[in-house]
Amino acid sequence: EVQLLESGGGLVQPGGSLRLSCAASGFTFINYAMTWVRQAPGKGLEWVSTFSGGGGGTTFYADSVKGRFTISRDNSKNTVFLQMNSLRAEDTAVYYCAKRAEGSANYYAFDYWGQGALVTVSS
Amino acid sequence: QSALTQPASVSGSPGQSITISCTGTSSDVGGYNYVSWYQQHPGKAPKLMIHDVTNRPSGISNRFTGSKSGNTASLTISGLQAEDEADYYCSSCTSSSTLVFGGGTKLTVL
Repeated sequence: EVQLLESGGGLVQPGGSLRLSCAASGFTFINYAMTWVRQAPGKGLEWVSTFSGGGGGTTFYADSVKGRFTISRDNSKNTVFLQMNSLRAEDTAVYYCAKRAEGSANYYAFDYWGQGALVTVSS
Repeated sequence: QSALTQPASVSGSPGQSITISCTGTSSDVGGYNYVSWYQQHPGKAPKLMIHDVTNRPSGISNRFTGSKSGNTASLTISGLQAEDEADYYCSSCTSSSTLVFGGGTKLTVL
């Protein structure tokens, strides 16, 4: 059974940093692109970042987080990370990690999602 | 990258069919067959309903159908059921190798 478990959320002051982790199980982690998607309270989904699979090292970022957030992965630990620096109030959201969908021809369809980690940026 | 355009809300009665549209540009929806649709119930993670415009993942009811014409993709739900009441989001890859979501559509089953 595929499982994605996020951790590391919490309350942080503006300008601060936080690192989210997403521990994966139930599939061959190294083979799949992994993505972070966020959802501000009462708002829609927003793509944040993607790390390619297959042992490659290609990363993609939304303009809203480029230069502040860094995605990484440790294939030996089946974990993907999101390092968030220079946090702003508008980064407040539930952050989901998601796995590339089986049978999809592109990185950007997600068949499994974690339960989400709440990040609150406030003084 | 601007969000894809979806109606804020749609509604239908049990047993009826509804269609949710998702309009983008030739740089996203119109340029690639990589549109996905997600269902999200309150307080839950999104669930993939359609990927690559028309493909249903294993376990998704054939009442859910995806299509695309030009810069507009559509999700049709036939035989509406009470449990279909949820928020629905479309997404598409873009010419910049990024991903853009629609603003979401709230489906109400009357």
